[in-house]
Amino acid sequence: DTGVSQDPRHKITKRGQNVTFRCDPISEHNRLYWYRQTLGQGPEFLTYFQNEAQLEKSRLLSDRFSAERPKGSFSTLEIQRTEQGDSAMYLCASSLFGLEAYEQFFGPGTRLTVL
Amino acid sequence: AQKITQTQPGMFVQEKEAVTLDCTYDTSDPSYGLFWYKQPSSGEMIFLIYQGSYDQQNATEGRYSLNFQKARKSANLVISASQLGDSAMYFCATERGYSTLTFGKGTMLLVSP
Repeated sequence: DTGVSQDPRHKITKRGQNVTFRCDPISEHNRLYWYRQTLGQGPEFLTYFQNEAQLEKSRLLSDRFSAERPKGSFSTLEIQRTEQGDSAMYLCASSLFGLEAYEQFFGPGTRLTVL
Repeated sequence: AQKITQTQPGMFVQEKEAVTLDCTYDTSDPSYGLFWYKQPSSGEMIFLIYQGSYDQQNATEGRYSLNFQKARKSANLVISASQLGDSAMYFCATERGYSTLTFGKGTMLLVSP
């Protein structure tokens, strides 16, 4: 299967702990996006990369959040000093920018629960 | 800022019937894209259909079609011949600057036998 993959699928942590999520995009895709989805809402944009460059960050992305895509392939999203309000589904998506089709392909998500 | 409004929290349809899911949008971008995604209970977002703001014809993909009315800023999804597997959350989204997506709150569709 060559779709977007995310690891772990589920993460339970205690408030104040750090967590890191990984996303592996579709191999030829040059753009990678992170979204957050809380219960009853649509996904909200957090940040995105084109190759290894982080091009945009949402105001939702507080200083406790950091994302990297060091070699333009996989990406990590780290949350430091987690809070209960960070509990959500974290979705990763990728796309191939430069062609006519602009759809983003999503991974299965990482569900974070902060106790 | 972009905004998507989906006014139907839930919709019910019988198998084999057609259903329309409403979406209105607000954007100041002169050029934009409109998307519909399906999210089953498993959680993964599945791309269904795309409409560019300058496309003259409404987009179609199999049983999915997008009723695009630019002057009204609406982009309704029409699903023909509903199937039980169509039961899911459906999200409308608009694309800003060929990059980020802004999603609505979604519509839960339930298809009954």
